[in-house]
This record gives sequence, C-alpha cells and structure tokens, in this order.
Amino acid sequence: QVQLVQSGAEVKKPGASVKVSCKASGYTFTSFGISWVRQAPGQGLEWMGWISAYNGYTDYAQNVQGRVTMTTDTSTSTAYMELRSLRSDDSAVYYCARRVGTYLAYYYMDVWGKGTTVTVSS
Amino acid sequence: QSALTQPASVSGSPGQSITISCTGTSSDVGGYNYVSWYQQHPGKAPKLMIYDVSTRPSGVSNRFSGSKSGNTASLTISGLQAEDEADYYCSSYTLSSTLGVFGGGTKLTVL
Repeated sequence: QVQLVQSGAEVKKPGASVKVSCKASGYTFTSFGISWVRQAPGQGLEWMGWISAYNGYTDYAQNVQGRVTMTTDTSTSTAYMELRSLRSDDSAVYYCARRVGTYLAYYYMDVWGKGTTVTVSS
Repeated sequence: QSALTQPASVSGSPGQSITISCTGTSSDVGGYNYVSWYQQHPGKAPKLMIYDVSTRPSGVSNRFSGSKSGNTASLTISGLQAEDEADYYCSSYTLSSTLGVFGGGTKLTVL
C-alpha cells in the first residue's frame, strides 16, 4: 500500500539544524511531489514548501525561506527536509505528504506521513 | 491569519448533519475547483476527506460531502457519529503560490 514513513522525534538546541526524512513506498516516487507541512502545538497547518521528486524543483514558503532545504534521493525513494538556525517557535510536528498537482498548481495531498516531532529547547 | 476563513468550532448531536464553511477569494476557492478537506484527530496526521471540491477518495464514508458556491466551499457531514469529532481543515489552489492555501481549521464537537 502507498505510505510515507517519517524519521523519529528530534530534540535540538536553538541555532542547530534538523533533517527529517520521509521514505515513500507503494508508488512510483518520481511521479509525485512531496509537500512539507508543520503544525505547532495547538495550532493549525502551516505550509513549509514542496519538492518535485521528478526533477528536484522546489518552492518554499516565505516564513522559512532561507532556512529550509528540501531534497530527494530517488534511489531510495526518500525525501528530506532540513531546517537550519532553529528557534523555539520551530517546535512543531512536521508532516510530509504526497502532493497531487502540477508545477504551478497544487491540487491536494492524498497520503500523509505520521509526523515527526521536533522540539527546540535550550 | 489564515488565507481561508473557517469557523473556529461547530457542534452537532449524533445523527444530525453539520456544515463547515471555508471562505476565500476569486483567486483561490472561487476561481478554481481545487478545494480539498482534511480530517485530523488529536495526535494523528491529517487525512484527505474530499478533493476537487466534491470528490471522495476511496474508503471515505459517503456521509461526507463537499460543495462550493462563489468564494465559499462547504463540507457537510450527515448522520454525525462520535468518531467524526475532530479538527477539519480546508485547502485550495491559489493563483499566487504553488503551495496552495489552508484554512485555520474547525473543531467539530459531537455532543
């Protein structure tokens, strides 16, 4: 079955970096993009960006632009999201999701990972 | 502040129907048929319930339905069940970004 398996919880100090992985299975990895969405405690869903698994095209949200890098490894069907210069307000659950759409148009996200909790604390 | 506006909370009794609204603009909800809805139970990942305004993915109960009028999309849940108690988020294509936009979420309470 189609699934996305994310890496485990992380605890980081302010200023550090975190890299979350998202391993896809059950479908042709390069046929879809991967979106990254985060959710701070008690808050709503927030876009971080997306990456095309076909050619690595990326589009990042303004709120994390300059601190985030999304990559893929097509040999292992894995997507990665690295966030640098972590702050306390980056503490959140980070989700990867399979993106259905075109380069210019987001349609929906039909398969989600279970989420990775990132805690930023001194 | 979210790009799409949803009520913070709605409630209903078992067996009743409820509707959650999602209001945007002509650059997103009103201009395109790419509205999706997600259900999220506490501590769980979001789950796709409706896409392309009114299409249910395989496996989603037909008690869930979606519609759109002008700049407002709606999610209707009929025959409310206790298991429907969750947060619901709308999302849409937007002309201004390849990322799309989210609503702020609506907490559904089944009384």
